Amino acid sequence: GDSVTQMEGPVTLSEEAFLTINCTYTATGYPSLFWYVQYPGEGLQLLLKATKADDKGSNKGFEATYRKETTSFHLEKGSVQVSDSAVYFCALRANLRGGADGLTFGKGTHLIIQP
Amino acid sequence: GAVVSQHPSWVICKSGTSVKIECRSLDFQATTMFWYRQFPKQSLMLMATSNEGSKATYEQGVEKDKFLINHASLTLSTLTVTSAHPEDSSFYICSATGLAGQLSYEQYFGPGTRLTVT
Repeated sequence: GDSVTQMEGPVTLSEEAFLTINCTYTATGYPSLFWYVQYPGEGLQLLLKATKADDKGSNKGFEATYRKETTSFHLEKGSVQVSDSAVYFCALRANLRGGADGLTFGKGTHLIIQP
Repeated sequence: GAVVSQHPSWVICKSGTSVKIECRSLDFQATTMFWYRQFPKQSLMLMATSNEGSKATYEQGVEKDKFLINHASLTLSTLTVTSAHPEDSSFYICSATGLAGQLSYEQYFGPGTRLTVT
């Protein structure tokens, strides 16, 4: 079946450091890929997405590129802020039901940014 | 826009009783709703997919007689945990997706419901 593997945390960085959270996936067909963020006490929010190979999703300074050859969708940000502290989930959608598929999630990476 | 609410946010029930969790799309029509379960420090696991007016589709290993899902309208889906046991204690999260072409099948998540069975 489909699966998503992401680095487990917690990941602790200083403010303004460069961030990479690795994510790799296993899926058949042509999945869509997502990064969700969960702030304390809140629901998951879509951070960015990519729907086909070589697409780059970006939002709020975060970027991730859909790499089909390496089955990866690593999340990066050039300069993190304390407000970026949250749990980040990589996820895929198989697109076998015309887009109305449930998501397969990684285990989540807890990111802690220290001032 | 695209807000999803859940109620209650936290519930404690006694073993053997049933508890109902509501998931509502507040500002859009949700043709499909999903229910996930999240264990501490674990990933979200898809439990079932429900479409308005039809029976839910359960993932392998999920007991449909224990986790009853009703998607009676385009803005409301309910998950009822029947005869709850302590092992059902978990964080239950719903998501909703709208009509094709309008929301591009993007899923909007509720804030989750923490269930504790004593």
